[in-house]
Amino acid sequence: GAGVSQTPSNKVTEKGKYVELRCDPISGHTALYWYRQSLGQGPEFLIYFQGTGAADDSGLPNDRFFAVRPEGSVSTLKIQRTERGDSAVYLCASSSGGVQETQYFGPGTRLLVL
Amino acid sequence: GESVGLHLPTLSVQEGDNSIINCAYSNSASDYFIWYKQESGKGPQFIIDIRSNMDKRQGQRVTVLLNKTVKHLSLQIAATQPGDSAVYFCAENMWGSSNTGKLIFGQGTTLQVKP
Repeated sequence: GAGVSQTPSNKVTEKGKYVELRCDPISGHTALYWYRQSLGQGPEFLIYFQGTGAADDSGLPNDRFFAVRPEGSVSTLKIQRTERGDSAVYLCASSSGGVQETQYFGPGTRLLVL
Repeated sequence: GESVGLHLPTLSVQEGDNSIINCAYSNSASDYFIWYKQESGKGPQFIIDIRSNMDKRQGQRVTVLLNKTVKHLSLQIAATQPGDSAVYFCAENMWGSSNTGKLIFGQGTTLQVKP
């Protein structure tokens, strides 16, 4: 079946602009995760949804970052007033939602803030 | 604090040899460990996982070993192939104590397979 998909695959924006990144999880997966990966580093956790609610948002770096999942499927990560330091690959993963279930990752969105 | 690290940034092996990639973790509360493979320009791909009540788990050409006494994790790849060339990450999770699926990743080891 289809894996996790993310759009756009690449996004170039200017400092101060607003961006939205979309994630379509594997069908039927109730858990959804966002991570951020800087060049040469491992992914860093941002936020975890179980259904429609954010069960853990401890990784969001500041209040410019916000994520939603209104119907418990597609999720959007929103970044306001982008800064050059926000440039990274934003990864989305989903799992069937149980304890210690495998997280399957999408290809990521490469964000470049000029 | 929480951290997952890898001992070597780059590992170079000959095609057909076995590869061993190591990982040290610092949080004794971690109860679930995963190895991911990441090729350039792609997202991490699940390889194998292991729960803290096990010390070994085998998959197709891969074996993960967990030593909780010294907080060490390793990934063994048998008969390494050129297609195994990638960055390998270990990740840990603390479901039992934190009730969150968040994964903590190490920095990664680059595996280079020489033909």
